[in-house]
Amino acid sequence: GAGVSQSPRYKVAKRGQDVALRCDPISGHVSLFWYQQALGQGPEFLTYFQNEAQLDKSGLPSDRFFAERPEGSVSTLKIQRTQQEDSAVYLCASSLDIGGTEAFFGQGTRLTVV
Amino acid sequence: AQSVTQLDSHVSVSEGTPVLLRCNYSSSYSPSLFWYVQHPNKGLQLLLKYTSAATLVKGINGFEAEFKKSETSFHLTKPSAHMSDAAEYFCVVRNTGGFKTIFGAGTRLFVKA
Repeated sequence: GAGVSQSPRYKVAKRGQDVALRCDPISGHVSLFWYQQALGQGPEFLTYFQNEAQLDKSGLPSDRFFAERPEGSVSTLKIQRTQQEDSAVYLCASSLDIGGTEAFFGQGTRLTVV
Repeated sequence: AQSVTQLDSHVSVSEGTPVLLRCNYSSSYSPSLFWYVQHPNKGLQLLLKYTSAATLVKGINGFEAEFKKSETSFHLTKPSAHMSDAAEYFCVVRNTGGFKTIFGAGTRLFVKA
């Protein structure tokens, strides 16, 4: 596709449910980032992949959060046993270069935990 | 440690007047700095970036920013605001060679006719 695609666009989960959020980066992009954006705030870094390698996961808030990019393309962010504080927009970004000096963002997945 | 402070949560200007969105950063290493814009229901878009080349950086849509190391600032400016500039703007810092990216809290720009 022409841009970064995220699915689903909206997800409502009951507290305690597991969710999986998908990111399709721009084809050939080496770098992939995940961010969490709470209402009224700036995006917060979660994790970074260089191809299939997860080089930085320092922003993942707890061990309930897990991300993977097994073939260096599509990435999935999984949240186990969702809690209300997980409600946010989850953004994915990809970049052609290592480190992502010019990152292209998807429109995000809005997760609401009820 | 890195941090970013956007000094104004809201800025309101009249169409045709200059825009100034202020950003201060803190970084232990030589930083890369970015400005992104977020229009409603659209993804974040890169406006411009500083990566240790020229300190005055020109971006898209007539925006520019100046890296001032002595002031640890990276303010975003535009000579003449347009209605289509109304959006949320984020200042972003990353340590050169690192991957963790820190966003400011954002500045919402309102443009009055």
